[in-house]
Amino acid sequence: SQTIHQWPATLVQPVGSPLSLECTVEGTSNPNLYWYRQAAGRGLQLLFYSVGIGQISSEVPQNLSASRPQDRQFILSSKKLLLSDSGFYLCAWSVQAPAIGELFFGEGSRLTVL
Amino acid sequence: GESVGLHLPTLSVQEGDNSIINCAYSNSASDYFIWYKQESGKGPQFIIDIRSNMDKRQGQRVTVLLNKTVKHLSLQIAATQPGDSAVYFCAEPTLGSNYKLTFGKGTLLTVNP
Repeated sequence: SQTIHQWPATLVQPVGSPLSLECTVEGTSNPNLYWYRQAAGRGLQLLFYSVGIGQISSEVPQNLSASRPQDRQFILSSKKLLLSDSGFYLCAWSVQAPAIGELFFGEGSRLTVL
Repeated sequence: GESVGLHLPTLSVQEGDNSIINCAYSNSASDYFIWYKQESGKGPQFIIDIRSNMDKRQGQRVTVLLNKTVKHLSLQIAATQPGDSAVYFCAEPTLGSNYKLTFGKGTLLTVNP
């Protein structure tokens, strides 16, 4: 069966510090990968998605970046965090198909920038 | 902007009652819809989906209804339990993309014992 892991689960970082959130998927090959952010009590905002190794599409201009160094690994990074980067970050994957189907989400990483 | 929205941001029900969560969508070409449940502090979990060639689909204690005429989607939860307390999101494929889903704003369901 397929599983998705993301870490760390909780992170408290000072403004201006770097960030690295990691996500890995097991049990499938060549998945589409996604990073979402969710502010408290709000909906899901798509940040990045990737349809293959090294292929990153950015949805929202910001000081975050994403990388996909391996087929089932997706990393969210920042060189200098802002207060507004606080939120709940969710990694997700979907099957490569002619059309989008179900997204499978990880358990999330809660980032607090102080 | 988002094409999928919700009529009610919060819904409070008594344990054992039936719950109905509504969702409006604007893209008449959407052919696939999903409902997700997100418990506090966790990632969204798939509940049920429906394709546009269907009007109704049933799962375990959940039913999704699709009214394409008025572009309306609903999730019905039978005999609501405290464990059903969560935020519920509807989602549809993003117009013009084969890779993305557009999510509604979510409805917070609270089940009172």
